[in-house]
Amino acid sequence: DAGVIQSPRHEVTEMGQEVTLRCKPISGHDYLFWYRQTMMRGLELLIYFNNNVPIDDSGMPEDRFSAKMPNASFSTLKIQPSEPRDSAVYFCASSSYGTGTYGYTFGSGTRLTVV
Amino acid sequence: QKEVEQDPGPLSVPEGAIVSLNCTYSNSAFQYFMWYRQYSRKGPELLMYTYSSGNKEDGRFTAQVDKSSKYISLFIRDSQPSDSATYLCAMRRTGANNLFFGTGTRLTVIP
Repeated sequence: DAGVIQSPRHEVTEMGQEVTLRCKPISGHDYLFWYRQTMMRGLELLIYFNNNVPIDDSGMPEDRFSAKMPNASFSTLKIQPSEPRDSAVYFCASSSYGTGTYGYTFGSGTRLTVV
Repeated sequence: QKEVEQDPGPLSVPEGAIVSLNCTYSNSAFQYFMWYRQYSRKGPELLMYTYSSGNKEDGRFTAQVDKSSKYISLFIRDSQPSDSATYLCAMRRTGANNLFFGTGTRLTVIP
């Protein structure tokens, strides 16, 4: 298995632009998580899905952030409009609760810089 | 108060030293405890997990959970330069799948 795949690896954009981050979870995993990591705040859960349905989006900081999971193999996190304070590393992770795997598998992350 | 507290370090030790990494938590409902290792510019990877209280050993790594004190530890014996990374603790409740993470401790093992 190729693991959790995120794209792009790096994104530099200007303030006010729309940013779309993409994630392909591990096949068969029924949970998908989006996290944001900064030095100051560590890993923050933004939203998670179970069987493609959003379960908890209380971590989404503002209406500028939205996430979708149109099918079991693809999810997007969109920021519109982007702001410099959105600069962070965004991780996608997936897990399979039912098979007894208690941890998540993380992707390599997308490093977002908003200038 | 954050649900999971972890000293961010940084921690610097000589090669061969025993390393102790710790987290405290406030939610007594947490039952599953994990340690993740994160190398620079990589995603976190699961290192060890334990259920409820007790110890678990895997090679040079030992995870301990003391639920009465709400305190978990990760010990690394005979530390190696390749252990240099950020270590994050994580935990969750029974019946829930969302993990609560510590902020991570950055460890450097000096050859």
